[in-house]
Amino acid sequence: DIQMTQSPSTLSASVGDRVTITCRASQSISNWLAWYQQKPGRAPKLLIYKASSLESGVPSRFSGSGSGTEFTLTINSLQPDDFATYSCQQYKSYSPDTFGQGTKLEIK
Amino acid sequence: QLQLQESGPGLVKPSETLSLTCIVSGDSISSSNYYWGWIRQPPGKGLEWIGSIYYSGSTYYNPSLKSRVTVSVDTSKNQFSLKLSSVTAADTAVYYCARQGRWFPYFDYWGQGNMVTVSS
Repeated sequence: DIQMTQSPSTLSASVGDRVTITCRASQSISNWLAWYQQKPGRAPKLLIYKASSLESGVPSRFSGSGSGTEFTLTINSLQPDDFATYSCQQYKSYSPDTFGQGTKLEIK
Repeated sequence: QLQLQESGPGLVKPSETLSLTCIVSGDSISSSNYYWGWIRQPPGKGLEWIGSIYYSGSTYYNPSLKSRVTVSVDTSKNQFSLKLSSVTAADTAVYYCARQGRWFPYFDYWGQGNMVTVSS
C-alpha cells in the first residue's frame, strides 16, 4: 500500500509570504497527486490535480510541482483567505492511506 | 452546477449500523466518467477514504474498513449510500460524499459533510 506523508504538520506564516508544503509518497506515484484546501467546518476543495494542474477557478498564486515520490504545493503572496489546512491525495492506486495527514497553515 | 448532499442521522449507538445517503443533483450518477465516493474525517484528524462505487455497482473499499462497509447506488433516485456496521466511538467523524474521476480518481466535487457521533 502507498503511504503519504506531509510536512510540516503546522506552518506559521504572514500575509504576503511564500510558503511551501511537501508531500512524500512511500513509492513512486508518477504525477498522480492532488492537493486540497479545507477550512474549518467546510468540505475540502480541490486545488491541484496531476501534481501541477490548477483546477478551474483556483488563483494562480497556487502551484504544484513534483513527480515520483516528492511533491510540493507552493502558495505565493499569501492572502488572508489562504489560511486553512492543506491535504495531498495520491490516486495511482486505491490505498487505505490515500490522503496525507494534512498541513495546517496558520497566521504568524 | 453539480451538488452533492449527505443525509442521515447525526447520532448512532455503538454496535449499530451507520447509514448515510448522498443525493446527487446537476449531473447523472450514471455518467460513465465518474465514481462516487465516501470519505470521513474524525474530529481534529485527517481525511480517510472509505469506499467508492460506479453506477454499475462496481465498488472499491478501504481494506481497513472493508469487512464493515457497504456502498450501494440507486440510479433511479440519482443517489448512493453508505452503510457501516458495528460502529464504535472511533467511527465518530464528519462523513463526506464526493465525485471521483473514473480514470483519474481524485475528488472534484464534495458534499457539505454530515457529522455522525457514535454514542449511547
